[in-house]
Amino acid sequence: ETGVTQTPRHLVMGMTNKKSLKCEQHLGHNAMYWYKQSAKKPLELMFVYSLEERVENNSVPSRFSPECPNSSHLFLHLHTLQPEDSALYLCASSQNVMVDTQYFGPGTRLTVL
Amino acid sequence: QQQVKQSPQSLIVQKGGISIINCAYENTAFDYFPWYQQFPGKGPALLIAIRPDVSEKKEGRFTISFNKSAKQFSLHIMDSQPGDSATYFCAAVDAGGTSYGKLTFGQGTILTVHP
Repeated sequence: ETGVTQTPRHLVMGMTNKKSLKCEQHLGHNAMYWYKQSAKKPLELMFVYSLEERVENNSVPSRFSPECPNSSHLFLHLHTLQPEDSALYLCASSQNVMVDTQYFGPGTRLTVL
Repeated sequence: QQQVKQSPQSLIVQKGGISIINCAYENTAFDYFPWYQQFPGKGPALLIAIRPDVSEKKEGRFTISFNKSAKQFSLHIMDSQPGDSATYFCAAVDAGGTSYGKLTFGQGTILTVHP
């Protein structure tokens, strides 16, 4: 397994469900990110973690809750989502948080019914 | 202030032609400008990047042109190939700011190269 992996690749959930997205990076990086990619909109940064510490929360609703138990794993816990939250959720990692190249995973396609 | 405006939204080019995608920004604190390429079902991947101390950077068939005074930069794909068909995103980073690792992305350009 190389690079950045994400599971599941596809997720359909109801508005009252609780689910989690998982990201794992095999690159030895210290920084991890969650992005939201919606149709016809720029990628939106959601959260940034550096050495397991959250350093940026980009005004994301509390129904999205990130967790970074170690520098290789990042979770996004989802609760009482809205249909407008349907999007591709991308995880990325970089050696450090500043300008280093970010490596993206393939994303989780989320549909909220 | 933080936006990066990208055009066109979509682009169709014949094989062998030149593809040109343009981006403009307002924030003069941006000092790192990467381009990402995204194929269907994949995450974005870094293609090429430039810092504002140079006006051009070339890697193979891909060239970034940078105009600091106009606050514009563009991606040129020479000898475009069907395999280049993808979505391209420009981005900008304020490396000296407090927004750690914050890539501000353009809206994306869907490039289709016809054989």
